[in-house]
Amino acid sequence: ETGVTQTPRHLVMGMTNKKSLKCEQHLGHNAMYWYKQSAKKPLELMFVYSLEERVENNSVPSRFSPECPNSSHLFLHLHTLQPEDSALYLCASSQDRDYSYEQYFGPGTRLTVT
Amino acid sequence: AQSVAQPEDQVNVAEGNPLTVKCTYSVSGNPYLFWYVQYPNRGLQFLLKYITGDNLVKGSYGFEAEFNKSQTSFHLKKPSALVSDSALYFCAVRATWGRSDKLIFGTGTRLQVFP
Repeated sequence: ETGVTQTPRHLVMGMTNKKSLKCEQHLGHNAMYWYKQSAKKPLELMFVYSLEERVENNSVPSRFSPECPNSSHLFLHLHTLQPEDSALYLCASSQDRDYSYEQYFGPGTRLTVT
Repeated sequence: AQSVAQPEDQVNVAEGNPLTVKCTYSVSGNPYLFWYVQYPNRGLQFLLKYITGDNLVKGSYGFEAEFNKSQTSFHLKKPSALVSDSALYFCAVRATWGRSDKLIFGTGTRLQVFP
């Protein structure tokens, strides 16, 4: 459970605010991921970082901006969000981008945009 | 198109009875298949995976899954359900994605085990 941590666990922000989500993995992995989980929808992959390389999902709006300063830390910077961005944001890590390796997930940040 | 389907939004089973949570997939090439479980207010936890080899895969908490290539299925099973198994279960498949690859998740099946 403590392998991947996320802060904050809950966040309420207005549409004009700027906030950041933080993820840290203590597993020695070299790939990290951001997912969005909305009710009644499949888990949506937003961003992937592997060995400092970013693989971006082109459908992610620019109001979401990831940052990966090193292999253990991942941030998601948020600005001018919309109410439909309210969701659970999950961070995950894996040994590398070879998907024979399972991903380990953090507990998520529950984001509410008002 | 690469996809994974979980046809049941919810599965109800009595404690002690066997349970099955269904998953079918569509992917080019050999599939890498995964099951994850999510408890309330928690992230996803890895249960088991199929990469190659024996079609019956054993995982955590007494769960197992059967890979069936002809039916493109990877159903999750447990011989005797526990109330504590109640959670949201996700099937996932590796898929190519441009110059990389990614996991495609199903929409999830909520398992409710009644005492």
